[in-house]
Amino acid sequence: GENVEQHPSTLSVQEGDSAVIKCTYSDSASNYFPWYKQELGKGPQLIIDIRSNVGEKKDQRIAVTLNKTAKHFSLHITETQPEDSAVYFCAARKADSSYKLIFGSGTRLLVRP
Amino acid sequence: ETGVTQTPRHLVMGMTNKKSLKCEQHLGHNAMYWYKQSAKKPLELMFVYSLEERVENNSVPSRFSPECPNSSHLFLHLHTLQPEDSALYLCASSQDTGKETQYFGPGTRLLVL
Repeated sequence: GENVEQHPSTLSVQEGDSAVIKCTYSDSASNYFPWYKQELGKGPQLIIDIRSNVGEKKDQRIAVTLNKTAKHFSLHITETQPEDSAVYFCAARKADSSYKLIFGSGTRLLVRP
Repeated sequence: ETGVTQTPRHLVMGMTNKKSLKCEQHLGHNAMYWYKQSAKKPLELMFVYSLEERVENNSVPSRFSPECPNSSHLFLHLHTLQPEDSALYLCASSQDTGKETQYFGPGTRLLVL
C-alpha cells in the first residue's frame, strides 16, 4: 500500500525566512497531493493541493512542487510570519481510491518573531 | 470555521464506560469520515460513510461503532475502550467520496483511564 514519509518533524525559522517541508510517497499511482495546516485546538485545514499532471502550484506565499519521477513533493512557505506556526501534514491519494488519503506524520513549524 | 462541528471537545472516560462522539456538518456534503490522530503518528482513517452507507471500515476494533443517521450527522459510539485508544478523533466531510477536498472538524480529545 501507499506510504508517505515527511521531513523534518520539527522546523524552526526566523520570521521572514522561507520554510520547506518535504514528503516522499511510495505508490507511483498516486495522483493527488494535498497539504493541511493544523493549528492548536483545531482540525487540519487544506492550504494547497497539487495533481500529478502539474509540476508546481502557487498561492501567494505558499507553493507546492511535485517530482513524479522521484516521487516526492514539497511545501514552500516564503516570508514566514508567526501565524504560520502550526503543524503541517502532507498526504497522497491513489487514483483508484477517490477518498482515501494517506497522511505523513506531520511537521511542527515554529516561526520565531 | 469549516462548517464541521464536533462535540464534546474533550472527553475523559473509564475503560468500562460507554460514550458517544458527535459530528455535524453544515456544508450539504454527502460523505463523512472518522479519523484517529495519535501523537507523532499519521492520521488514520477509521470509517467512511457515503449517503449514510458505510463504504470503508479500516480494520477498526469493534469497540468503536459508527452511526450515520443522515448525511449531516455522524456518531462514533465507544465502549470498553483501552488506554491506547486515547487520541484526538477527527470528523471530516466532503461533497461526496469522489471529491478530494475533505473539511475537518476541530476534533474530540479523548482520554481513556
